Amino acid sequence: EVQLVESGGGLVQPGSPLKLSCVASGFTLSSTWLNWIRQAPGKGLEWVASITPDGRDTYYPDTVKGRFVVSKDNAKNTGYLQMNNLRSEDTAMYYCARGGDWFAYWGQGTLVTVSS
Amino acid sequence: DIQMTQSPASLSASLEEIVTITCKASQGIDDFLSWYQQKPGKSPQLLIYDATSLADGVPSRFSGSRSGTQFSLKISRPQVDDSGIYYCLQSYSTPWTFGGGTKLELK
Repeated sequence: EVQLVESGGGLVQPGSPLKLSCVASGFTLSSTWLNWIRQAPGKGLEWVASITPDGRDTYYPDTVKGRFVVSKDNAKNTGYLQMNNLRSEDTAMYYCARGGDWFAYWGQGTLVTVSS
Repeated sequence: DIQMTQSPASLSASLEEIVTITCKASQGIDDFLSWYQQKPGKSPQLLIYDATSLADGVPSRFSGSRSGTQFSLKISRPQVDDSGIYYCLQSYSTPWTFGGGTKLELK
């Protein structure tokens, strides 16, 4: 069974870093894209990062470029989202999702709250 | 960036109706369009990929179509369980962008 489980969310102060994890099971991360999507409270979905199967290429929207870094450890079958210099507008539920052209499987999400 | 304009923002439909939700892309995206359903407190679920292909396990009352840069999700004879928020996503070019969402209420 394909499963994605996020962790690492929490309450942090503005300017702080935070690292999210996404543990995959039922498939290997080395064979697929891994993506991160967030959803601010009561708002829509926003794509925030993607990494290619071989991990060589990463992609970000301008809203997080230079602050967020996506990576993965294929040996641990785990993906990561390192978030630096967090802002209040980064407050959201963060989901990891498997897939290239579409997101076939999603995790249950981990909540990040940025507040002083 | 490619903008995805989704409409309507909300709708209320009866169980006998055909529900149609549309997404219009600001430029050509070929068939790089997928649809998702999200229920309260849950993560989104894939319904349609490549504009018209039904995802595994999704009921056949859901269908997708394309006309140029306009994409539609149709639900034929919706069930009460189809209530939720629906999103489109373009994956033609980064940044991948979602539509604003459509909140569907079945009455």
